[in-house]
Amino acid sequence: QVQLQESGPGLVKPSQTLSLTCTVSGDSISWGAYYWSWIRQLPGKGLECIGYIYTGGSPYYNPSLKSRLTIALDTSKNQLSLRLHSVTAADTAVYFCARSRIAAGEPHYFDSWGQGTLVTVSA
Amino acid sequence: DIQMTQSPSSLSASVGDRVTITCQASHDINNYLNWYQQKPGTAPKLLIYDTSNLETGVPSRFSGSGSGTFFTFTISSLQPEDIAIYYCQQYHNRPLTFGGGTKVEIK
Repeated sequence: QVQLQESGPGLVKPSQTLSLTCTVSGDSISWGAYYWSWIRQLPGKGLECIGYIYTGGSPYYNPSLKSRLTIALDTSKNQLSLRLHSVTAADTAVYFCARSRIAAGEPHYFDSWGQGTLVTVSA
Repeated sequence: DIQMTQSPSSLSASVGDRVTITCQASHDINNYLNWYQQKPGTAPKLLIYDTSNLETGVPSRFSGSGSGTFFTFTISSLQPEDIAIYYCQQYHNRPLTFGGGTKVEIK
């Protein structure tokens, strides 16, 4: 059974870069059968799909974050990464990584999630 | 972006009650809709995909229906373990978007 685990600093200073890693076990991200995604949940609010990528494809970034965002796969480590630059307090959220099956070249549904990690942006 | 509007934002019902949540899309999304359950402090869990297909292992008291812009999610007999926030999510257009959630509580 696939498992996803997010890791990274829980506190980031404003204007700095938020960096997170998602380690995948029980499945190979090299297989190319899934999108690997980042989703965040702002405090007390709903869910926002930040972006996603699959092996051999270009990453997709939510236009609201595109200019500040980098998502990548490290197949040697079976990891997904997120870098969000120039963060502000508005980026404070729980960040989840998730796996999505692919349908017609697009994400279908998120069938496996990490537990999530809270990142606070504060001086 | 396709806006997903859930109603109600919260509800309180008794154990055994039938509970219905609606999700309205700002544009036609065919049947490209999924439903998730999120319990406090945990990640969302997929319950239903493609509007009406039950994910493996999900109890049959959960169901979904709809098409186009209007969708419903039903719990046929509310159980104490169903206390959670429920989200709809469309995958018809990028970016993928979620509804604002419906918090279900026991009366």
